[in-house]
Amino acid sequence: AQSVTQPDIHITVSEGASLELRCNYSYGATPYLFWYVQSPGQGLQLLLKYFSGDTLVQGIKGFEAEFKRSQSSFNLRKPSVHWSDAAEYFCAVGSYTSGTYKYIFGTGTRLKVLA
Amino acid sequence: DSGVTQTPKHLITATGQRVTLRCSPRSGDLSVYWYQQSLDQGLQFLIQYYNGEERAKGNILERFSAQQFPDLHSELNLSSLELGDSALYFCASSTGTGEGNIQYFGAGTRLSVL
Repeated sequence: AQSVTQPDIHITVSEGASLELRCNYSYGATPYLFWYVQSPGQGLQLLLKYFSGDTLVQGIKGFEAEFKRSQSSFNLRKPSVHWSDAAEYFCAVGSYTSGTYKYIFGTGTRLKVLA
Repeated sequence: DSGVTQTPKHLITATGQRVTLRCSPRSGDLSVYWYQQSLDQGLQFLIQYYNGEERAKGNILERFSAQQFPDLHSELNLSSLELGDSALYFCASSTGTGEGNIQYFGAGTRLSVL
């Protein structure tokens, strides 16, 4: 069955430090992969997506993610974190099964940024 | 702003009651999805409608139902509410239903069942 694993429930980094959030997926075919961010009291905002082609994708707010098929991973990175990046981050895989296309979300990683 | 509008933002009600959550999709989007986000279950897909027709079902309880109207707005009806139904309910919309469709999320409705 398709699944998405975000192994880190909480991550704390200092402002200005680099960030990597991990995401592993289980899916038989080439996946459609997404990262969303949820700020407190807000809905989910799409940061970036991977469909095909270049395995390093750029997103909004200075984020990027790299698709590694051999590791079934789609880790999110940012070279220098800002205090406003404190939020919860969700990785998702779009999977086409039983005739319908659905998103499967990971459990999320909550990012805390220290001043 | 994603363009997806959910009302109300907050709902407080009692056990056994019935509530209706409303969602207006982005202009031009035909698909609407409903999700439930709770602390213990994470983000769970409930149901999807496409152009008025039910398209996919997820972990939706029998006490819950949804519909999509001709103007493409959608409503999620929750009845015989239990304490455990307290959660954040999100609506998302996309243009279609095929692979690669991007879902855009509303700000959610926070339901508190007392």
